Amino acid sequence: GAVVSQHPSWVICKSGTSVKIECRSLDFQATTMFWYRQFPKQSLMLMATSNEGSKATYEQGVEKDKFLINHASLTLSTLTVTSAHPEDSSFYICSGRPGNEQFFGPGTRLTVL
Amino acid sequence: RKEVEQDPGPFNVPEGATVAFNCTYSNSASQSFFWYRQDCRKEPKLLMSVYSSGNEDGRFTAQLNRASQYISLLIRDSKLSDSATYLCVVRRGNQGGKLIFGQGTELSVKP
Repeated sequence: GAVVSQHPSWVICKSGTSVKIECRSLDFQATTMFWYRQFPKQSLMLMATSNEGSKATYEQGVEKDKFLINHASLTLSTLTVTSAHPEDSSFYICSGRPGNEQFFGPGTRLTVL
Repeated sequence: RKEVEQDPGPFNVPEGATVAFNCTYSNSASQSFFWYRQDCRKEPKLLMSVYSSGNEDGRFTAQLNRASQYISLLIRDSKLSDSATYLCVVRRGNQGGKLIFGQGTELSVKP
């Protein structure tokens, strides 16, 4: 199957700082990538769809100014959590779909103190 | 009401048991259906797609009833390594084919 990597795998930061998460497709080109968030014991919730070379599409209720997405190349999408607060602590997972199947990155666990 | 709903867990079963998971979806425009497996603190991984005719992969059998908007997963002869959370996932027919995840059902297989 296709390989998606994420970096970092975990991060701990202070409240008010910004955190950037990178998502790379290692063996396929991704014109579209998906960003999800998962709180403990809850479902994966789609936050936004990033599109190479254009603006991301955000799901209802997701603040685009807080969760900045950049998809500058066919293999890299980034999510920046700006001015992070403890309620942003979660498991962030990106995903790409080279064909019919969708492949997920290993996730980034964010803890905001 | 959630778009994809699953049996509440956890399911605690002995090795060798047969266990069934149920899932219902509310959006009739849903096109594709999947079961994913998620291990603790890991990303979800595709277990199997679900087809209208029903499909089997070893000990795993998936069924889809479009009329009832119901999906099931049956695990036979469960192993310790089957312990995980099983996610029912639906792809919408519109809106770019987004995947919608159920909450997941936790399975714990005991010796």
